[in-house]
Amino acid sequence: QVQLVQSGAEVKKPGASVKVSCKASGYTFTAYYMHWVRQAPGQGLEWVGWINPNSGGTNCTQKFQDRVTMTRDTSISTAYMELSRLTSDDTAVYYCARSVAHRALDYWGQGALVTVSS
Amino acid sequence: AIQVTQSPSSLSASVGDRVTITCRASQGIRNDLGWYQQKPGEAPKLLIYAASSLQTGVPSRFSGSGSGTDFTLTISSLQPEDFATYYCLQDYNYPWTFGQGTKVEIK
Repeated sequence: QVQLVQSGAEVKKPGASVKVSCKASGYTFTAYYMHWVRQAPGQGLEWVGWINPNSGGTNCTQKFQDRVTMTRDTSISTAYMELSRLTSDDTAVYYCARSVAHRALDYWGQGALVTVSS
Repeated sequence: AIQVTQSPSSLSASVGDRVTITCRASQGIRNDLGWYQQKPGEAPKLLIYAASSLQTGVPSRFSGSGSGTDFTLTISSLQPEDFATYYCLQDYNYPWTFGQGTKVEIK
């Protein structure tokens, strides 16, 4: 069965970076795009970006373009999202989710809470 | 970026009620819209993709309709497990954008 298992909760100080992982199993990792979506406490969902695990190509919303780095390690079927220069506004649950081509997010990870606090 | 306006932001309903949630896109997006259900402390779950296609395993009381700019999610007979927050997501072009969410509460 398809599973996306994310790394655990993190607490970071303002200005630091955080790297969240998402390990895929139950399907061919390189056949599906991996997206990242975040949700601030009590707020709605915000799309961050995607990585094509086959080519390594990425795309993200302009808001994060200079702060987010998405990578993958195909040998262990794992995608990563690193966010730098953290502020308190980055406190959120970060989800990975896969898509079939560029259509819908059919499986999601359990989420990783990132807390930014001094 | 395409704006997606979802309404209402919340609603109260009883078990057995018919519930309708709408999303309006700021420009035409063909049928490139999905609906997601999220329960507290859980990841979102895909219900409907391509505006009207039911995701495998999702009960048939959920249905979606619309194309272009106006879309609707309907729950034909609300069940206790359906009390949750619902989001639409346009996947027509990047950046993908979510609606603001609709919280469905027990009346």
